[in-house]
Amino acid sequence: GDSVTQMEGPVTLSEEAFLTINCTYTATGYPSLFWYVQYPGEGLQLLLKATKADDKGSNKGFEATYRKETTSFHLEKGSVQVSDSAVYFCALRPSGNTPLVFGKGTRLSVIA
Amino acid sequence: DTAVSQTPKYLVTQMGNDKSIKCEQNLGHDTMYWYKQDSKKFLKIMFSYNNKELIINETVPNRFSPKSPDKAHLNLHINSLELGDSAVYFCASSGQYSYNEQFFGPGTRLTVL
Repeated sequence: GDSVTQMEGPVTLSEEAFLTINCTYTATGYPSLFWYVQYPGEGLQLLLKATKADDKGSNKGFEATYRKETTSFHLEKGSVQVSDSAVYFCALRPSGNTPLVFGKGTRLSVIA
Repeated sequence: DTAVSQTPKYLVTQMGNDKSIKCEQNLGHDTMYWYKQDSKKFLKIMFSYNNKELIINETVPNRFSPKSPDKAHLNLHINSLELGDSAVYFCASSGQYSYNEQFFGPGTRLTVL
């Protein structure tokens, strides 16, 4: 079945460090790919998405590129801030009217 | 305006009790979902409804019964609560295409004592 694998956390970085959170997926067909963020005590918010191969999603300085050849959708940010501390989820939506399949989440802590 | 709302935000109850969680969306979406997030933050789909009809039921115990009175509401009723039901439950809604994002409610933290 469809699945998402993302790097285990927690990840601890100093402010202004470069961030990469790896995400790979297994899916039949052509899924859409998403990164969601969950701040402490809150629900999930969409961070960015990409719907076809080679698409790049970007938002708030975060980016991820849909790589079909490596089945990957790695999240990157050039300079993290303390306010980026949260849990990040990579997810795919297989096709049509289907629920999201989530990775296990990566907790990011950014220290000043 | 809140897009997806859930009540209550916190629910603390004894084993064996029956409880309900309510969800409403004002986005005009046809599809709504219930997800369960365990203590390790893992998110898993429980149910999916499209236009009031159940389309996905992911091997959830019969004690869990979703009900959709109209396409804007999806409630979750849980009978005979067990310790293992303690989790955060998220309601979500989306458009019907795979590229549509899903909008999540704030979650209901259920604690069974």
